[in-house]
Amino acid sequence: EDQVTQSPEALRLQEGESSSLNCSYTVSGLRGLFWYRQDPGKGPEFLFTLYSAGEEKEKERLKATLTKKESFLHITAPKPEDSATYLCAVQDSSGGSYIPTFGRGTSLIVHP
Amino acid sequence: KAGVTQTPRYLIKTRGQQVTLSCSPISGHRSVSWYQQTPGQGLQFLFEYFSETQRNKGNFPGRFSGRQFSNSRSEMNVSTLELGDSALYLCASRQTGGFSPLHFGNGTRLTVT
Repeated sequence: EDQVTQSPEALRLQEGESSSLNCSYTVSGLRGLFWYRQDPGKGPEFLFTLYSAGEEKEKERLKATLTKKESFLHITAPKPEDSATYLCAVQDSSGGSYIPTFGRGTSLIVHP
Repeated sequence: KAGVTQTPRYLIKTRGQQVTLSCSPISGHRSVSWYQQTPGQGLQFLFEYFSETQRNKGNFPGRFSGRQFSNSRSEMNVSTLELGDSALYLCASRQTGGFSPLHFGNGTRLTVT
């Protein structure tokens, strides 16, 4: 069974204080790992897809990296508007099911 | 390009009633999935439809059902509502039937009293 564990559950940062969020996963074969951002009262917003170990993707202050067992979402010099819950999900290449498994998310608060 | 649209945004129902939620996917997306999100359980998969056929189903009771129309729009129905059904119900669409990211709507907040 696919498993996704995100840590920490909650993270408080000061504006400008860089940090990383972790997503550890267990799958039979990784087809893709997705990162999403979710604001309160809204649906998750797609950020990145990573397909293979060593791959990196960047968007503004966010950079996602992938190894064979985990992914990191690095936030450089965050701003208060980066406050949100960040979700990761993995898609297994085996079994024929295309349903991604989601982690519980990391709630990020950035203080001005 | 318009995103995924869900209606209504908020619903308040009484135990025992039934409810129907609606989802319009992104134009050209043929796959529509439904998720339930609660603080305690996170995002839980309900079902996925592709070209009007249910392709996958999550571990929810038969009170939860759905369908997809020929224009890819989808509805989900919950009958005999229970207090525990209170949640944010999210619809997501994706471009192909397989390995592409989900694009979510803003959900329907269902409160059962």
